[in-house]
Amino acid sequence: NAGVTQTPKFRILKIGQSMTLQCTQDMNHNYMYWYRQDPGMGLKLIYYSVGAGITDKGEVPNGYNVSRSTTEDFPLRLELAAPSQTSVYFCASSTGTGRDNEQFFGPGTRLTVL
Amino acid sequence: GDSVTQMEGPVTLSEEACLTINCTYTATGYPSLFWYVQYPGEGLQLLLKATKADDKGSNKGFEATYRKETTSFHLEKGSVQVSDSAVYFCALSRGDTGRRALTFGSGTRLQVQP
Repeated sequence: NAGVTQTPKFRILKIGQSMTLQCTQDMNHNYMYWYRQDPGMGLKLIYYSVGAGITDKGEVPNGYNVSRSTTEDFPLRLELAAPSQTSVYFCASSTGTGRDNEQFFGPGTRLTVL
Repeated sequence: GDSVTQMEGPVTLSEEACLTINCTYTATGYPSLFWYVQYPGEGLQLLLKATKADDKGSNKGFEATYRKETTSFHLEKGSVQVSDSAVYFCALSRGDTGRRALTFGSGTRLQVQP
């Protein structure tokens, strides 16, 4: 049981390049989330999904896109990378049920845009 | 909107000292409250949680009590170890929102010296 896996672990992009951050979970969770963590800050929600085929914006969606074609996968796409997108990106998943809705996090992707 | 405020770091302690990291929140309704820990180079792990007023969450010697009257969820440990050195995040989740995402504080870095 791998939990939540993310690839790549590190990436350096040039301004204007595009890339996709991959996220996969094997817990059959309906809810999946993408957060970004800027230095010295807490995590902020980029996008989330409550099930396959359903996605919605979080607090900071500009410059990103997502898709959810399967329960397991929730890729995050950066179309035109900008220095402001330099951050650590975390994917998380949860059942979406229960009072606490505990979220399980992947190890993160550290992205630098130069 | 919802928000979480936690004390600025870094907090530097000697081994076996007592730890308190303050956390207060603003949210409508009755959120669930969490402490997550992030060890160097890793993703976030759930440390403890509480889902209703006066609940006490505990794990690995850490404790936090959900205080609705003071909207607080302070993290405490009686005797810290070097291995407790990490960044600690306070967070909340509301069950009455569709996204059920976490709202995080900015994190507090704890450094424990031998």
